[in-house]
Amino acid sequence: DAGVIQSPRHEVTEMGQEVTLRCKPISGHNSLFWYRQTMMRGLELLIYFNNNVPIDDSGMPEDRFSAKMPNASFSTLKIQPSEPRDSAVYFCASSRFPGYTFGSGTRLTVV
Amino acid sequence: AQKITQTQPGMFVQEKEAVTLDCTYDTSDPSYGLFWYKQPSSGEMIFLIYQGSYDQQNATEGRYSLNFQKARKSANLVISASQLGDSAMYFCAMRGGMDSSYKLIFGSGTRLLVRP
Repeated sequence: DAGVIQSPRHEVTEMGQEVTLRCKPISGHNSLFWYRQTMMRGLELLIYFNNNVPIDDSGMPEDRFSAKMPNASFSTLKIQPSEPRDSAVYFCASSRFPGYTFGSGTRLTVV
Repeated sequence: AQKITQTQPGMFVQEKEAVTLDCTYDTSDPSYGLFWYKQPSSGEMIFLIYQGSYDQQNATEGRYSLNFQKARKSANLVISASQLGDSAMYFCAMRGGMDSSYKLIFGSGTRLLVRP
């Protein structure tokens, strides 16, 4: 089992550019979560999917953020246009009750 | 609404001693789960221990134990025989039940530094 795989590990982009973060959950896990971690706000839940269906996106900060899960093995988090305040570490986690496994995260820097 | 509170931003412990990291929670769900994760300086989130709300006994995993006091809504992590490699951020987290859409939310974390 390769665990939850996130790509890229690091991303540096210019303000205004589109950024796409990718996540491959563990096979057999039916839930997927996207989190953002910053010094100021800690770990924030952005959106949560269950069986590929978005269940709760109340944590998505604004319309510039969107997430999709087209199938059980792939999810994306897109920021368009990106802003410097989006700089953070973005974690994907997948879950099969009762546990949660996190990916290694994507460190995003928007300059 | 669910809430997790960790009141200790930072703690020190002497190597080989035990340390307790505090965590309190609030939820209206009758069924929930409590987790502790370790985040070393490398940044990954490492699962340590899990306690279900209906579990009768406190969870233990090696040197980690969870002191679960349901009436007080606390879920403290106890690390016995601290090692230098235990220096890290520690996060308490709670998974709610159906009413909370099974979301996993985190506390603000405690930074533990183990002194040699």
